[in-house]
Formats: sequence, structure tokens, C-alpha cells
Amino acid sequence: KNQVEQSPQSLIILEGKNCTLQCNYTVSPFSNLRWYKQDTGRGPVSLTIMTFSENTKSNGRYTATLDADTKQSSLHITASQLSDSASYICVVRGATDSWGKLQFGAGTQVVVTP
Amino acid sequence: EAEVAQSPRYKITEKSQAVAFWCDPISGHATLYWYRQILGQGPELLVQFQDESVVDDSQLPKDRFSAERLKGVDSTLKIQPAELGDSAMYLCASSSLERELFFGEGSRLTVL
Repeated sequence: KNQVEQSPQSLIILEGKNCTLQCNYTVSPFSNLRWYKQDTGRGPVSLTIMTFSENTKSNGRYTATLDADTKQSSLHITASQLSDSASYICVVRGATDSWGKLQFGAGTQVVVTP
Repeated sequence: EAEVAQSPRYKITEKSQAVAFWCDPISGHATLYWYRQILGQGPELLVQFQDESVVDDSQLPKDRFSAERLKGVDSTLKIQPAELGDSAMYLCASSSLERELFFGEGSRLTVL
């Protein structure tokens, strides 16, 4: 069973609107959680990284939140733009894992329409 | 800006043929990873190198896949023979001292 579950699987939003993506994980003990943006046919690019002591981290119009107690994270996109169309992947690193043993979610496919 | 270089970007091959992918990590990054990503899924680790040594290849199908990083810099991932189920994106990533993970643009493999 995947230790990182993302929802929704996909969503379509109008340009200029906001949206929120969810990530639930069971990885324990927990070290950090990352959100990556992956454009179609390209490699993932890091958006944010949070440790268990951080609740919120922003990167421009992207804001990630983390609740380590409930093992939930969200990524909020404000005033979406057409260039936000991509897959957003939640990645969790356990505290006992080597860096390579990251647990990847399946991603949320976001489509921003004019 | 430094980046992870991969080639080729796209590869189409017939099943039973051999295929190879190359990766040049960011200069100074001791750790190099090969991931396989099937469409609609997250990346799956195939092999991790620390300098020239393999530290994790537990998910690498060793009957047909091989990876090397002879001088601890660039790396090659080979598939011989390719099968239909190998069609995927092959991503290379590198990091320094277990910090930020940087991905290359990937190599898209289609096996016919």
C-alpha cells in the first residue's frame, strides 16, 4: 500500500481561481515533506520542503501547509495561471530512510483553462 | 544555473533490443539516482549511487537492467533486452549531502 496518498487525482480550474491539493501520508517517523511540480514530459521541480516543525511554507503563489499530527499536507495555488497546468507530486522522507528512499505520491494532475 | 543533464530525451526501440540512457549530475553531487516513472504514477527508485558505489538497487530488475557510475560522475542505465512494459520515463536525479534533490528532464522510452 502506498504510504503517500494524494487527492484529487485530477482537477480542472479556471484561470485566476484558487485550488487546494491534498496529501495524506503514513510514513513514520517523519523527516520532511516536499511538493514538486512536474510539467508534462519534463522532470519534477521542487516547490517547497517542510520539516515536522513547520506549518506553512510559501513559494510565490504556492503555499504548502503541514499538520504532522494528522499526517496531512496541502498545496494551495492562488490566482492560477495557465502555466500552473502540471502534475503536483507530494514526496515524504522518513526519518530512518536514506535520501533515496523517498515515498512518492501518484500526483494530482491540474489543468488550468482560460 | 547548474542542472542534471540526460540523454536521449526520447527513445523508440523494438522489444528485445538494447537501450542505454546517460546522466550527468550537477557538479559536486556525490549521490545519483535513477527513477522510472510510468504515466500517471510517481517516480519509482531503480538505483542509488554514492560516488561510484551502489547503495540501493533493490528495485532494479537485474536480469535485464544494469547501471554504472564508473568514475563517480556521470552514469549509464542500460536495458537489455527491452520489453513492452519498460515503456516509461527514466529520470535521473542528484543531490549533495542528502539535501535538495534535483531532477533531469528525463528520457522517454517507448518499446514497440
